[in-house]
Amino acid sequence: EDKVVQSPLSLVVHEGDTVTLNCSYEVTNFRSLLWYKQEKKAPTFLFMLTSSGIEKKSGRLSSILDKKELFSILNITATQTGDSAVYLCAALHRGSQGNLIFGKGTKLSVKP
Amino acid sequence: EPEVTQTPSHQVTQMGQEVILRCVPISNHLYFYWYRQILGQKVEFLVSFYNNEISEKSEIFDDQFSVERPDGSNFTLKIRSTKLEDSAMYFCASREGRGHYGYTFGSGTRLTVV
Repeated sequence: EDKVVQSPLSLVVHEGDTVTLNCSYEVTNFRSLLWYKQEKKAPTFLFMLTSSGIEKKSGRLSSILDKKELFSILNITATQTGDSAVYLCAALHRGSQGNLIFGKGTKLSVKP
Repeated sequence: EPEVTQTPSHQVTQMGQEVILRCVPISNHLYFYWYRQILGQKVEFLVSFYNNEISEKSEIFDDQFSVERPDGSNFTLKIRSTKLEDSAMYFCASREGRGHYGYTFGSGTRLTVV
């Protein structure tokens, strides 16, 4: 059975800290891994990673995929209270119509 | 920025009743999805829709569920006879097309079955 596992499930840090969120996957015919940020309701897209070892960056957020070890990390540097959210990782099958297999998420709380 | 719009934001219904959840995807998007998230659990795929037909569906999407795109703009999810375990947040999502997998999700409809 395909699965996506995220760790830790929750994390509390202080503003300015750097955090690393982990996502491992076991997915048949894996194509890509996606990261989303879920604040109150709708998940918002952060990154899609298809190739191993190529870092994607957006401001203080960055992510990388390791297709040999079957995991991805999401880094957030100099965290701010606005980074508080649930971060979701999702895997995409090759050949699918785009349906995503989500992990349970990591709840990040950034304290002032 | 274009949005996926879902209505209502919250719906309470009695067990056994039919509900229709409505979504307006982004206008130039071609692929449409419904996902659900039971409180405290992970987001789960229900169904994908492309070219006016279901392209994939999960085991959750049984005969009680159906989807429609009746008029080229709305995309609806119908649950024929709701059960308590259908209580969840239902998300509609759309994406532009081939290769563009960064979905845009709607804000969700919280369905409570009592």
